[in-house]
Amino acid sequence: SYELTQPPSVSVSPGRTARITCSGDKLGDKYASWYQQKPGQSPVLVIYQDTKRPSGISARFSGSNSGTTATLTISGTQALDEADYYCQAWDSSAFYVFGGGTKVTVL
Amino acid sequence: QVQLQQSGPGLVKPSQTLSLTCAISGDSVSSITAAWNWIRQSPSRGLEWLGRTYYRSKWYNEYALSLKSRITINADTSKNQFSLQLNSVTLEDSAVYFCAREGGYFGSGSFYWDNWFDPWGQGTLVIVSS
Repeated sequence: SYELTQPPSVSVSPGRTARITCSGDKLGDKYASWYQQKPGQSPVLVIYQDTKRPSGISARFSGSNSGTTATLTISGTQALDEADYYCQAWDSSAFYVFGGGTKVTVL
Repeated sequence: QVQLQQSGPGLVKPSQTLSLTCAISGDSVSSITAAWNWIRQSPSRGLEWLGRTYYRSKWYNEYALSLKSRITINADTSKNQFSLQLNSVTLEDSAVYFCAREGGYFGSGSFYWDNWFDPWGQGTLVIVSS
């Protein structure tokens, strides 16, 4: 079955750039989506189709996807960006697959 | 905008059936450009897609292979909602369960799923315990 791998945690200083990676076999051939989840809340879509932002999502969030790695970038990170982030893709063997999640800590 | 409101019990006994409902506002469960999904989240399994239902001249259901023998997702057009039933639950089925919408679009004579989920319901913590 298809798997997506994320680092468990990423730390970033306020105002700096955080990069969260998501790795999977030929992931660049698929579309990646990203979700933000704060404690006790439901996931919220922040990036879809690799690079697109839904209405209402801050322009500080951007995405890329090439080769085997998709990356979510948070520019000018703020305390309110502290959350868990999950990547997700579709694969014919498993339908919808999620990464294990990355906890972003703003120090 | 689309909103999803979940309901259902938070405690289920082992071997019994877990049942949850997701009420839709701002869209129709019969929409031909949407699919209605169930996803769960647990510390041991992370986020796990369970299955979906959608209407395309008739109703279709697709389920995760690991659950195919125990899961049923149904739509109720009279109430504009859809439901999840998971049979023969065990402790491993304890999780937060979410409903979520996936959109789609017609292009070049074909239909394409969005392959992402938005929005999500508020989540229901289900504990399997005797």
